Amino acid sequence: AQSVAQPEDQVNVAEGNPLTVKCTYSVSGNPYLFWYVQYPNRGLQFLLKYITGDNLVKGSYGFEAEFNKSQTSFHLKKPSALVSDSALYFCAVRLINDYKLSFGAGTTVTVRA
Amino acid sequence: NAGVTQTPKFQVLKTGQSMTLQCAQDMNHEYMSWYRQDPGMGLRLIHYSVGAGITDQGEVPNGYNVSRSTTEDFPLRLLSAAPSQTSVYFCASSLTRTGAYGYTFGSGTRLTVV
Repeated sequence: AQSVAQPEDQVNVAEGNPLTVKCTYSVSGNPYLFWYVQYPNRGLQFLLKYITGDNLVKGSYGFEAEFNKSQTSFHLKKPSALVSDSALYFCAVRLINDYKLSFGAGTTVTVRA
Repeated sequence: NAGVTQTPKFQVLKTGQSMTLQCAQDMNHEYMSWYRQDPGMGLRLIHYSVGAGITDQGEVPNGYNVSRSTTEDFPLRLLSAAPSQTSVYFCASSLTRTGAYGYTFGSGTRLTVV
């Protein structure tokens, strides 16, 4: 079985400040990890993924995430948030040898000007 | 335009009616899947397919059927709609069954069952 937890329903930051969206996962094996963003009334857009290799992954729109195997975490970060980053963010996990992609409940990010 | 196309974008059904949500991709993706999105619950996997003629159940398959007769199409059938199936439905595809290249999502179908 696999599961994803996003412990914060909402994250509020001021524009220009660092943004962190937390994600922890539980799998019985090696994971593939993903971050997606959803803007209102839109589909999900891919931000970044961890498959293998370097634990620090850089993605779209200045976002990055660090895979931490010992803490089973994959937190999303952006050094300087923009108002346009306000959206719903989803973390997702799947096992390398499975076909099911599981999502967290999502975190709503609000960046105030 | 390459991508995942879902139709219709909006649909209202009466309880007990049946309908098919369409999903098509033109990227020659091996893997296709259906999710439903409900507030506070994230996305939950309904069914998935790793190739033409191969389908399997996800987390919440009851009340839904799928088939994959071609690589491009993966329709989702609601057999007898219930209010509990009111949701936003997303189709997603991936180049390979491993998902190592990431997943592409359609723009969604908002379904209301009254």
